Amino acid sequence: EAQVTQNPRYLITVTGKKLTVTCSQNMNHEYMSWYRQDPGLGLRQIYYSMNVEVTDKGDVPEGYKVSRKEKRNFPLILESPSPNQTSLYFCASRIGQANQPQHFGDGTRLSIL
Amino acid sequence: RKEVEQDPGPFNVPEGATVAFNCTYSNSASQSFFWYRQDCRKEPKLLMSVYSSGNEDGRFTAQLNRASQYISLLIRDSKLSDSATYLCVVNRPGSARQLTFGSGTQLTVLP
Repeated sequence: EAQVTQNPRYLITVTGKKLTVTCSQNMNHEYMSWYRQDPGLGLRQIYYSMNVEVTDKGDVPEGYKVSRKEKRNFPLILESPSPNQTSLYFCASRIGQANQPQHFGDGTRLSIL
Repeated sequence: RKEVEQDPGPFNVPEGATVAFNCTYSNSASQSFFWYRQDCRKEPKLLMSVYSSGNEDGRFTAQLNRASQYISLLIRDSKLSDSATYLCVVNRPGSARQLTFGSGTQLTVLP
């Protein structure tokens, strides 16, 4: 089954404790992206990757890191999480062209205390 | 001005009603347009792409007005299962790979 898998689905943690949210897709998509969703603000892009070893900042990259060592995986790293990073996070992937639909993971709800 | 703006609603309509949403975008050079549907904090899912000539998929019709820089979504004969948040999505010119999402319009279809 074609899918984007995120883990964990839910996480409550404390300020400053490094965490990684994993994202994996099995569709051989070149493009992968991370978004956060906050009430009234919609989905905002954090980072995206157009292919292996090619990553770029989105609209709200501060406080986040990503890597793309393999085509299928695109982890999101919070080196020193802060309460303003409490949010609902989505990973997405699609084939290269912008006019193609994105496939989203189920989402990860992070609470930083 | 926001890149993509939508009326947040909520729109509460009776079953069987026709409902329309508009979305405006700020950059006239945008080329790709979509409507996504999101159920109660679940992942967004593509509802339909929007083409220049307008397009229809069953009860759903999408239209693009480049002159006024808006896209619309019309839902006919609304069902209870249409209750969701509808997200307008537009590509960001100059960065073919990036999409900008509106904050969504909430629809509730009432029995």
